[in-house]
Amino acid sequence: GAGVSQSPSNKVTEKGKDVELRCDPISGHTALYWYRQSLGQGLEFLIYFQGNSAPDKSGLPSDRFSAERTGGSVSTLTIQRTQQEDSAVYLCASSPTTATYEQYFGPGTRLTVT
Amino acid sequence: AQSVTQPDIHITVSEGASLELRCNYSYGATPYLFWYVQSPGQGLQLLLKYFSGDTLVQGIKGFEAEFKRSQSSFNLRKPSVHWSDAAEYFCAVEPTGGYQKVTFGTGTKLQVIP
Repeated sequence: GAGVSQSPSNKVTEKGKDVELRCDPISGHTALYWYRQSLGQGLEFLIYFQGNSAPDKSGLPSDRFSAERTGGSVSTLTIQRTQQEDSAVYLCASSPTTATYEQYFGPGTRLTVT
Repeated sequence: AQSVTQPDIHITVSEGASLELRCNYSYGATPYLFWYVQSPGQGLQLLLKYFSGDTLVQGIKGFEAEFKRSQSSFNLRKPSVHWSDAAEYFCAVEPTGGYQKVTFGTGTKLQVIP
C-alpha cells in the first residue's frame, strides 16, 4: 500500500516568507508526527497528533510554527516569517494507533531559507 | 526528560566484518527502545524495537540489538556487514505508558568499504 507522502519534496524560500508543508499519512493511521532534521543533528520532535488533536506541542521551536490536521488525515505544518535557521529537512511519520509505537516515515521536505 | 547518546558519529567497517553501534539512554525507568535506519535518499525505516521481555531482539536485514538495563544501553549489532548496510542509524527512546514523544539520538553514519 501507499506510504507516508510529503509535499513539496524541496522548498526554497526567501527569509520572511511563510511556507506550508504537507503530510499525507498512511490511510487509517490515527497518530501523526512532525520532526525536524538539521544537518549533523538528530531528529527533533516538533508535534504529534492523535486524530485531529495535538496533545503535545512542546517541541514547536517558536510561535512562528503551527500545525493542523483535518479529517484525521492530512496535516499541514506552517512556518511563518521564515528564518535561515529554519532550513532543515522536515519529516512526517504516522502510526496505526498510539499503542504500537512504531512510526512510518515519509521522505521529508527539504526547506532552504535564503 | 529522556535523552539518547550515540557516541560514534561515523564508523567505517569492511564488508563482511562485524558491526556494533552504541546507544545509551537516560530515562527514569525502562523506556521503549528503537533503532531506525536512513539510507541515502530514503526515509527512516524501523529496524527493530524493544518493549519488554527478552533483552535480545531481532530485527530486519539481519540486525539485532541487546538491551542492558544496568548499562542503560541498547547497542545494535550485525555479524557480517554488507555494502548495502551503508546508511545512517538512529537510536530512539520513548517513555512507556502511552506518551508519544520519541527522542532520537544524533545518528551514526556507517561507511562500508569493500
